[in-house]
Amino acid sequence: QVQLKESGPGLVQPSQTLSLTCTVSGFSLTSYHVHWVRQPPGKGLEWMGVMWSDGDTSYNSALKSRLSISRDTSKSQVFLKMSSLQTEDTATYYCARDLGPFDYWGQGVMVTVSS
Amino acid sequence: DIVLTQSPALAVSLGQRATISCKTNQNVDYYGNSYMHWYQQKPGQQPKLLIYLASNLASGIPARFSGRGSGTDFTLTIDPVEADDTATYYCQQSRNLPPTFGGGTKLELK
Repeated sequence: QVQLKESGPGLVQPSQTLSLTCTVSGFSLTSYHVHWVRQPPGKGLEWMGVMWSDGDTSYNSALKSRLSISRDTSKSQVFLKMSSLQTEDTATYYCARDLGPFDYWGQGVMVTVSS
Repeated sequence: DIVLTQSPALAVSLGQRATISCKTNQNVDYYGNSYMHWYQQKPGQQPKLLIYLASNLASGIPARFSGRGSGTDFTLTIDPVEADDTATYYCQQSRNLPPTFGGGTKLELK
């Protein structure tokens, strides 16, 4: 069955770089796009970027200078790296499969930016 | 970017109909499809797809949920509302990049 699971540190210091991994199963990264979406506590959903099935990427223009998405198809993993973290980057980070809509989501990983 | 606007909250009684609206500032139709989707999110959980392409029920979603609309005006209807439906509901467009979400409508019981 289709599954996505995010992993990464729960706490990051301000100005540091966040590294998250989305491990997928039940489908191929070369057949489906995978997006990253985040949600600050008590707030709405913000699209961050996408790893297209062909290996290309697109980013939210507000985050583009700090954000990098990559993948390892052999491990069925998509990676997110975001630099220069600030307290406003505190959020739950989700990866989601793209079938037009986002049909499957990971459980999310809560990341707190604090010293 | 396409902006999606939802009312922040809605209170309905058990067994009644709930209608949640989503308005966009640009047309999200393309070649006969409306690229609007709806999600349900309960506290501490990831969003769950309910409706795709404006009116199509996602797999495993009960028929109490329905969606309609086109162009710039869309609605999600829950009829009848059950206690388990208390959640926040988000609309999302995939007509243009970046995909964008509405601010969410929190459904509460009276």
